[in-house]
Amino acid sequence: GDSVTQMEGPVTLSEEAFLTINCTYTATGYPSLFWYVQYPGEGLQLLLKATKADDKGSNKGFEATYRKETTSFHLEKGSVQVSDSAVYFCALVDSSYKLIFGSGTRLLVRP
Amino acid sequence: SQTIHQWPATLVQPVGSPLSLECTVEGTSNPNLYWYRQAAGRGLQLLFYSVGIGQISSEVPQNLSASRPQDRQFILSSKKLLLSDSGFYLCAWSVVNQETQYFGPGTRLLVL
Repeated sequence: GDSVTQMEGPVTLSEEAFLTINCTYTATGYPSLFWYVQYPGEGLQLLLKATKADDKGSNKGFEATYRKETTSFHLEKGSVQVSDSAVYFCALVDSSYKLIFGSGTRLLVRP
Repeated sequence: SQTIHQWPATLVQPVGSPLSLECTVEGTSNPNLYWYRQAAGRGLQLLFYSVGIGQISSEVPQNLSASRPQDRQFILSSKKLLLSDSGFYLCAWSVVNQETQYFGPGTRLLVL
């Protein structure tokens, strides 16, 4: 079945550092891909998405490119802030419109 | 604009007690509705989804059940809670045949 694999956390960075969180997927066909963010004690917020190969989703300085060749959707940000500290989930939507999530990666940004 | 509400925000219940968590969506009609559980330090597991009133699909066997008595209301229930039911329960909605899901603020459940 479809699945999503994320890098293990936590990821600890200093403020203004470059961020990469790896995400790879296994799926039949070419599903839409998502990054959701969960701030402490809150629900999930949609961060960005991409619906087809080579699409780049972007929001709040975060970017991710849908790479069909490597079945990847890595999340990047050029300069992280303390306020970016959260758990980040990569996900795909299957043919039944159900989201399949990765296990999440916790990001801790230190001042 | 659309909003999604969940209550209660936090709940502490003894083992064996019943459970009722409520989710409501405003500003849209006939949404798809979803219940997820997030166990401590783990990812999200889809528990139930609904495409209409009275239509519930279960993803995993467990002692939880779901109901959709009204178009924009989704309820998660249990007759007898287990310790393993502890977790963070998230409700989500989407427009029919659209892929993006929008999540509520969640209910944190602790079973003692």
